[in-house]
Amino acid sequence: DAGVIQSPRHEVTEMGQEVTLRCKPISGHNSLFWYRQTMMRGLELLIYFNNNVPIDDSGMPEDRFSAKMPNASFSTLKIQPSEPRDSAVYFCASSLGQGSTGELFFGEGSRLTVL
Amino acid sequence: GENVEQHPSTLSVQEGDSAVIKCTYSDSASNYFPWYKQELGKGPQLIIDIRSNVGEKKDQRIAVTLNKTAKHFSLHITETQPEDSAVYFCAASMRDDYKLSFGAGTTVTVRA
Repeated sequence: DAGVIQSPRHEVTEMGQEVTLRCKPISGHNSLFWYRQTMMRGLELLIYFNNNVPIDDSGMPEDRFSAKMPNASFSTLKIQPSEPRDSAVYFCASSLGQGSTGELFFGEGSRLTVL
Repeated sequence: GENVEQHPSTLSVQEGDSAVIKCTYSDSASNYFPWYKQELGKGPQLIIDIRSNVGEKKDQRIAVTLNKTAKHFSLHITETQPEDSAVYFCAASMRDDYKLSFGAGTTVTVRA
C-alpha cells in the first residue's frame, strides 16, 4: 500500500491567498484526521471524519478553515484567506475503525509557509 | 479534556545506552496509550501502544510501562542505535474516543 498521500509537500504563499491541501487516505480506512503541527502548540487535531462525514470540527481554528471529504479516497483542507500564523505542517492521517484506539497512519505532511 | 505532559523535551544518549521518556496524563478514564516516532521530514509513526489492562509491553528493544494509579507511562529504548534518533510523542485517549491527546514530544539524539 502507498500509505497516506498528501499534496503539496511544500507550499509558500502570500497572506490573503487561498490554500488547498489534499489527502488520499489508505484504501479501506474509514476514519480520516487532519492535524496541525507547530513548535508552540505541538500536534493539534483540526477535524475528524468517519465514513466521509465530519464528526468533530471543534479544532478548526476559525471560519477561515474548512475541510471536505467528498468520497472515501479524498479530502481537502482549505484556508481562505491565509495568514502568517497559519504557517505550520499539516498532517492527514487515516485509520481503520471508528476511533483512534487503533493505529493512526500519517502522511508525510504539507509544510505551509504564509508570508 | 485530557492533558498529557512529556519529559524530557530533549535527550542525548550514547549509542548502546538506554533512553527513557516519561509521560503523565490527567484523565483517569484514559485507557489507551500509544507512542509515535517522527523522523525528520516524515509523519509520526506508531511504534508501540499499551492498553490499561496491561502494565507492561515489550517489542524487541522498546518497552512501555503503565502505572494507572499514578497516571503515568514510560517508553524505554534499550541498546540505542543511530536510527533511534527522532522525535517521540506519547499520547492518551479513552476507549472508542477518536481524540488522541499528544504530549509535546521528546527529541532523542543517539551519539555514535
